Amino acid sequence: AQSVTQLDSHVSVSEGTPVLLRCNYSSSYSPSLFWYVQHPNKGLQLLLKYTSAATLVKGINGFEAEFKKSETSFHLTKPSAHMSDAAEYFCVVTPRGYSTLTFGKGTMLLVSP
Amino acid sequence: DGGITQSPKYLFRKEGQNVTLSCEQNLNHDAMYWYRQDPGQGLRLIYYSQIVNDFQKGDIAEGYSVSREKKESFPLTVTSAQKNPTAFYLCASSTSPTSGGATEQFFGPGTRLTVL
Repeated sequence: AQSVTQLDSHVSVSEGTPVLLRCNYSSSYSPSLFWYVQHPNKGLQLLLKYTSAATLVKGINGFEAEFKKSETSFHLTKPSAHMSDAAEYFCVVTPRGYSTLTFGKGTMLLVSP
Repeated sequence: DGGITQSPKYLFRKEGQNVTLSCEQNLNHDAMYWYRQDPGQGLRLIYYSQIVNDFQKGDIAEGYSVSREKKESFPLTVTSAQKNPTAFYLCASSTSPTSGGATEQFFGPGTRLTVL
Protein backbone atom coordinates (compact mmCIF):
# COMPACT_ATOMS: atom_id res chain seq x y z
CA ALA A 1 0.00 0.00 0.00
CA GLN A 2 1.08 3.56 -0.52
CA SER A 3 0.08 6.96 0.83
CA VAL A 4 1.10 10.58 0.51
CA THR A 5 0.98 13.33 3.11
CA GLN A 6 1.33 16.94 2.04
CA LEU A 7 2.23 18.68 5.25
CA ASP A 8 0.74 22.10 4.46
CA SER A 9 -2.67 22.77 2.96
CA HIS A 10 -1.67 26.39 2.18
CA VAL A 11 1.71 28.10 1.76
CA SER A 12 2.07 31.87 1.34
CA VAL A 13 5.20 33.51 -0.04
CA SER A 14 6.17 36.87 -1.47
CA GLU A 15 7.26 37.19 -5.07
CA GLY A 16 11.02 36.63 -5.36
CA THR A 17 11.33 34.55 -2.17
CA PRO A 18 11.99 30.77 -2.03
CA VAL A 19 9.22 28.20 -2.21
CA LEU A 20 9.14 24.96 -0.17
CA LEU A 21 6.21 22.54 -0.48
CA ARG A 22 6.58 19.49 1.74
CA CYS A 23 5.62 15.90 0.91
CA ASN A 24 6.13 12.66 2.81
CA TYR A 25 5.25 9.31 1.34
CA SER A 26 4.78 5.72 2.33
CA SER A 27 5.19 2.84 -0.09
CA SER A 28 5.54 -0.93 0.26
CA TYR A 29 7.58 -1.02 -2.93
CA SER A 30 10.24 1.12 -4.54
CA PRO A 31 8.28 4.23 -5.45
CA SER A 32 8.00 6.52 -8.39
CA LEU A 33 7.13 10.04 -7.28
CA PHE A 34 5.66 13.00 -9.13
CA TRP A 35 4.69 16.60 -8.56
CA TYR A 36 1.76 18.01 -10.54
CA VAL A 37 0.47 21.59 -10.68
CA GLN A 38 -3.14 22.68 -11.21
CA HIS A 39 -4.25 26.21 -12.02
CA PRO A 40 -7.86 27.11 -11.20
CA ASN A 41 -10.45 25.11 -13.14
CA LYS A 42 -7.76 23.45 -15.26
CA GLY A 43 -6.34 19.97 -15.62
CA LEU A 44 -3.11 18.85 -13.99
CA GLN A 45 0.32 19.45 -15.52
CA LEU A 46 3.38 17.37 -14.68
CA LEU A 47 6.14 19.41 -13.03
CA LEU A 48 8.69 16.67 -12.46
CA LYS A 49 9.10 12.96 -11.75
CA TYR A 50 11.47 10.71 -9.83
CA THR A 51 12.14 7.18 -11.00
CA SER A 52 15.35 5.59 -9.76
CA ALA A 53 18.07 7.75 -11.23
CA ALA A 54 19.35 10.98 -9.68
CA THR A 55 17.79 11.84 -6.33
CA LEU A 56 17.69 15.54 -7.23
CA VAL A 57 15.12 16.00 -9.95
CA LYS A 58 14.77 19.16 -12.01
CA GLY A 59 11.43 20.07 -13.51
CA ILE A 60 9.78 22.79 -15.50
CA ASN A 61 9.58 26.47 -14.53
CA GLY A 62 12.59 26.30 -12.22
CA PHE A 63 11.14 23.75 -9.77
CA GLU A 64 13.13 20.87 -8.36
CA ALA A 65 12.61 18.12 -5.80
CA GLU A 66 14.93 15.87 -3.82
CA PHE A 67 14.13 12.23 -3.08
CA LYS A 68 15.30 11.34 0.46
CA LYS A 69 14.70 7.68 1.16
CA SER A 70 15.84 7.86 4.78
CA GLU A 71 13.26 10.59 5.48
CA THR A 72 10.61 9.23 3.05
CA SER A 73 10.31 12.76 1.68
CA PHE A 74 10.05 14.39 -1.72
CA HIS A 75 9.86 18.14 -1.05
CA LEU A 76 9.35 20.59 -3.92
CA THR A 77 11.44 23.77 -4.04
CA LYS A 78 11.99 26.84 -6.19
CA PRO A 79 14.60 29.54 -5.47
CA SER A 80 12.41 32.50 -6.40
CA ALA A 81 8.62 32.57 -6.60
CA HIS A 82 6.80 34.23 -9.46
CA MET A 83 3.21 35.41 -9.45
CA SER A 84 2.38 32.81 -12.10
CA ASP A 85 3.38 30.04 -9.65
CA ALA A 86 0.19 30.62 -7.66
CA ALA A 87 -1.70 27.33 -8.04
CA GLU A 88 -2.43 24.05 -6.29
CA TYR A 89 0.35 21.46 -6.16
CA PHE A 90 -0.08 17.71 -5.78
CA CYS A 91 2.50 15.17 -4.66
CA VAL A 92 1.85 11.71 -6.12
CA VAL A 93 3.28 8.24 -5.46
CA THR A 94 3.04 4.92 -7.27
CA PRO A 95 4.98 1.66 -7.04
CA ARG A 96 7.37 1.44 -9.95
CA GLY A 97 5.77 -0.43 -12.82
CA TYR A 98 2.20 0.27 -11.68
CA SER A 99 -0.22 2.49 -13.54
CA THR A 100 -2.52 3.77 -10.77
CA LEU A 101 -1.45 6.84 -8.79
CA THR A 102 -2.05 7.88 -5.18
CA PHE A 103 -2.48 11.64 -4.74
CA GLY A 104 -1.85 13.84 -1.76
CA LYS A 105 -4.59 16.28 -0.81
CA GLY A 106 -2.79 19.22 -2.34
CA THR A 107 -1.01 22.39 -1.22
CA MET A 108 -2.31 25.75 -2.35
CA LEU A 109 0.56 28.16 -3.07
CA LEU A 110 -0.30 31.83 -2.69
CA VAL A 111 2.16 34.41 -4.04
CA SER A 112 1.86 38.03 -3.01
CA PRO A 113 3.49 40.99 -4.79
CA ASP B 1 -2.24 18.73 -31.86
CA GLY B 2 -2.01 15.81 -29.41
CA GLY B 3 -3.82 15.71 -26.12
CA ILE B 4 -6.90 14.83 -24.12
CA THR B 5 -10.24 16.52 -24.60
CA GLN B 6 -13.15 16.49 -22.21
CA SER B 7 -16.60 17.77 -22.93
CA PRO B 8 -18.56 19.61 -21.87
CA LYS B 9 -16.55 22.00 -19.67
CA TYR B 10 -19.60 22.72 -17.48
CA LEU B 11 -22.58 20.41 -17.01
CA PHE B 12 -25.76 20.85 -15.06
CA ARG B 13 -28.03 17.98 -14.14
CA LYS B 14 -31.26 17.58 -12.24
CA GLU B 15 -31.40 15.08 -9.42
CA GLY B 16 -32.39 11.62 -10.61
CA GLN B 17 -30.91 11.98 -14.08
CA ASN B 18 -28.00 10.05 -15.52
CA VAL B 19 -25.35 12.07 -17.34
CA THR B 20 -22.37 11.03 -19.50
CA LEU B 21 -19.03 12.84 -19.53
CA SER B 22 -16.88 12.52 -22.63
CA CYS B 23 -13.13 11.86 -22.71
CA GLU B 24 -11.12 11.45 -25.91
CA GLN B 25 -7.35 11.13 -26.39
CA ASN B 26 -5.16 11.09 -29.50
CA LEU B 27 -1.93 10.21 -27.71
CA ASN B 28 -2.20 6.52 -28.63
CA HIS B 29 -2.17 5.64 -24.93
CA ASP B 30 -3.40 2.22 -23.82
CA ALA B 31 -4.49 3.26 -20.33
CA MET B 32 -7.18 5.76 -19.38
CA TYR B 33 -8.49 6.95 -16.00
CA TRP B 34 -11.32 8.91 -14.40
CA TYR B 35 -10.86 10.94 -11.23
CA ARG B 36 -13.15 12.96 -9.05
CA GLN B 37 -11.82 16.11 -7.35
CA ASP B 38 -13.46 17.78 -4.37
CA PRO B 39 -11.99 20.80 -2.51
CA GLY B 40 -9.31 19.73 -0.03
CA GLN B 41 -9.58 16.05 -0.99
CA GLY B 42 -7.05 15.66 -3.78
CA LEU B 43 -7.96 13.35 -6.65
CA ARG B 44 -9.77 10.08 -6.10
CA LEU B 45 -9.80 7.30 -8.71
CA ILE B 46 -13.22 6.27 -10.01
CA TYR B 47 -12.43 3.78 -12.79
CA TYR B 48 -9.48 2.92 -14.98
CA SER B 49 -8.89 0.91 -18.13
CA GLN B 50 -5.59 -0.55 -19.25
CA ILE B 51 -6.84 -1.97 -22.53
CA VAL B 52 -9.85 -1.79 -24.83
CA ASN B 53 -12.92 -3.70 -23.60
CA ASP B 54 -11.54 -4.00 -20.07
CA PHE B 55 -11.78 -1.72 -17.03
CA GLN B 56 -11.42 -1.89 -13.24
CA LYS B 57 -13.06 -0.12 -10.33
CA GLY B 58 -11.07 2.46 -8.48
CA ASP B 59 -11.55 3.67 -4.92
CA ILE B 60 -14.96 5.34 -5.39
CA ALA B 61 -16.73 3.48 -8.24
CA GLU B 62 -20.19 3.29 -6.64
CA GLY B 63 -22.75 5.27 -8.65
CA TYR B 64 -20.57 5.46 -11.75
CA SER B 65 -20.18 3.34 -14.89
CA VAL B 66 -17.74 3.36 -17.83
CA SER B 67 -17.13 1.71 -21.18
CA ARG B 68 -14.02 1.30 -23.30
CA GLU B 69 -15.09 0.27 -26.79
CA LYS B 70 -12.35 2.25 -28.54
CA LYS B 71 -8.78 2.98 -27.57
CA GLU B 72 -9.33 6.73 -27.94
CA SER B 73 -12.50 7.04 -25.87
CA PHE B 74 -13.42 6.40 -22.21
CA PRO B 75 -16.83 7.91 -21.35
CA LEU B 76 -18.02 8.13 -17.75
CA THR B 77 -21.69 7.91 -16.78
CA VAL B 78 -22.74 9.43 -13.49
CA THR B 79 -25.90 7.59 -12.50
CA SER B 80 -28.73 8.64 -10.26
CA ALA B 81 -27.34 6.22 -7.66
CA GLN B 82 -24.38 8.56 -7.01
CA LYS B 83 -25.37 10.32 -3.79
CA ASN B 84 -23.30 13.47 -4.16
CA PRO B 85 -22.24 13.91 -7.79
CA THR B 86 -21.42 17.62 -7.77
CA ALA B 87 -17.64 17.75 -8.35
CA PHE B 88 -14.85 18.41 -10.84
CA TYR B 89 -14.14 15.34 -13.00
CA LEU B 90 -10.76 14.75 -14.60
CA CYS B 91 -9.83 12.23 -17.27
CA ALA B 92 -6.25 11.09 -17.80
CA SER B 93 -4.29 8.71 -19.99
CA SER B 94 -0.89 7.04 -19.93
CA THR B 95 1.24 4.48 -21.67
CA SER B 96 1.24 1.00 -20.20
CA PRO B 97 3.65 0.73 -17.26
CA THR B 98 6.98 -0.89 -17.97
CA SER B 99 8.97 -2.85 -15.46
CA GLY B 100 10.77 -0.37 -13.23
CA GLY B 101 9.42 2.61 -15.12
CA ALA B 102 7.52 5.68 -13.97
CA THR B 103 4.24 6.08 -15.80
CA GLU B 104 3.12 9.66 -15.66
CA GLN B 105 -0.46 10.46 -16.56
CA PHE B 106 -1.58 13.22 -18.89
CA PHE B 107 -4.72 15.07 -17.88
CA GLY B 108 -7.60 16.64 -19.72
CA PRO B 109 -9.01 20.08 -18.78
CA GLY B 110 -11.86 18.64 -16.70
CA THR B 111 -15.65 18.82 -16.55
CA ARG B 112 -17.42 20.58 -13.70
CA LEU B 113 -20.69 18.82 -12.91
CA THR B 114 -23.33 20.55 -10.84
CA VAL B 115 -26.48 18.80 -9.70
CA LEU B 116 -29.38 21.21 -9.25
